[in-house]
Amino acid sequence: RKEVEQDPGPFNVPEGATVAFNCTYSNSASQSFFWYRQDCRKEPKLLMSVYSSGNEDGRFTAQLNRASQYISLLIRDSKLSDSATYLCVVGYQTGANNLFFGTGTRLTVIP
Amino acid sequence: NAGVMQNPRHLVRRRGQEARLRCSPMKGHSHVYWYRQLPEEGLKFMVYLQKENIIDESGMPKERFSAEFPKEGPSILRIQQVVRGDSAAYFCASSRDRYSNQPQHFGDGTRLSIL
Repeated sequence: RKEVEQDPGPFNVPEGATVAFNCTYSNSASQSFFWYRQDCRKEPKLLMSVYSSGNEDGRFTAQLNRASQYISLLIRDSKLSDSATYLCVVGYQTGANNLFFGTGTRLTVIP
Repeated sequence: NAGVMQNPRHLVRRRGQEARLRCSPMKGHSHVYWYRQLPEEGLKFMVYLQKENIIDESGMPKERFSAEFPKEGPSILRIQQVVRGDSAAYFCASSRDRYSNQPQHFGDGTRLSIL
């Protein structure tokens, strides 16, 4: 079983729509959670960290559900510029590499 | 406040040649990670290094690939005797410390093409 699983999409939504992505993780000892954004042929960029109480940054809201081992990203009032692949990232303290990346969910916002 | 610097941005090699990819972490970061991304696929972890030490190379192919992060200078990912299947984007990331609550910051990547 993969450490981190995401629906690859694509999600095609009209401008102004609200869209949500979920991501599940397999290790209950996971301690840290992030969403990254990757544009086509570009490097991944940190979008936001995800905190236990949930957190919001402008139009973006991230939630964590430890009991069910999933995190979510909600994007309100979608913009054309939100079109990208969104990567779910989960980390836990091990002796070695400790961040695990999902394969990403592709979003296309349509005019 | 330079970010993670990778060079070259694009590298073209013929089959059988060697490819050397360089990565300078962000200032103040001593942990470096290399990832490979094939077209239309996700990031695949390759190796995690600290200065002069390989911490985790579980994602590295057993042959032809090696990585180092010397005391001075950038981290190097080296691919010997390249084959067509090595064509990919190679991303380097760095973090300030090894704690998992520290996000990794990525360089622009090196796009390797094998002729």
